[in-house]
Amino acid sequence: KAGVTQTPRYLIKTRGQQVTLSCSPISGHRSVSWYQQTPGQGLQFLFEYFSETQRNKGNFPGRFSGRQFSNSRSEMNVSTLELGDSALYLCASSPGSPGNTEAFFGQGTRLTVV
Amino acid sequence: QQQVKQSPQSLIVQKGGISIINCAYENTAFDYFPWYQQFPGKGPALLIAIRPDVSEKKEGRFTISFNKSAKQFSLHIMDSQPGDSATYFCAARGNQGGKLIFGQGTELSVKP
Repeated sequence: KAGVTQTPRYLIKTRGQQVTLSCSPISGHRSVSWYQQTPGQGLQFLFEYFSETQRNKGNFPGRFSGRQFSNSRSEMNVSTLELGDSALYLCASSPGSPGNTEAFFGQGTRLTVV
Repeated sequence: QQQVKQSPQSLIVQKGGISIINCAYENTAFDYFPWYQQFPGKGPALLIAIRPDVSEKKEGRFTISFNKSAKQFSLHIMDSQPGDSATYFCAARGNQGGKLIFGQGTELSVKP
């Protein structure tokens, strides 16, 4: 079974630009969550999508948004990039059904804002 | 109330020794407690997980001990190996779908 695939692996953007990151979950998994990882703040939850609907949202500004498609693939968008958005963005895939909560992470997308 | 506190921040253990990492939480609604292992340049990998109705779970050299009354849980790595050198994260999940709250991480170094 293929794991969680995140593209691209690395990205360099300029302040003020926007960026879109992609995540393909494990086949059959319906829940996709996004996390931001930085040395100072650790792993912080951004949002979760289940069956194309946002089920949970973390404490991030509205510049951070996401969506999920009917095939469970998910995209995350960050608009008006700031230097502080430089981080490793991780996607986690989970079956999403009650009682089956194991989450598996992708390798992440390393975003650098200059 | 949503925090998970992890200690120590870093840990050095000799090969063959026991590595112990501790986590504490406050929210009694948490019902799932996983541990993740992360190597540099990689995403976190699920190591082992426990639910609050169990006090201990063992998988190979990895054991989770869970103390519901103290709201604490810990990871024990027996016979630690240099290949175990990585950053370890504890996490907790509440009754809000898939949202995981992570501890700050422990950087483990196992010396040969």
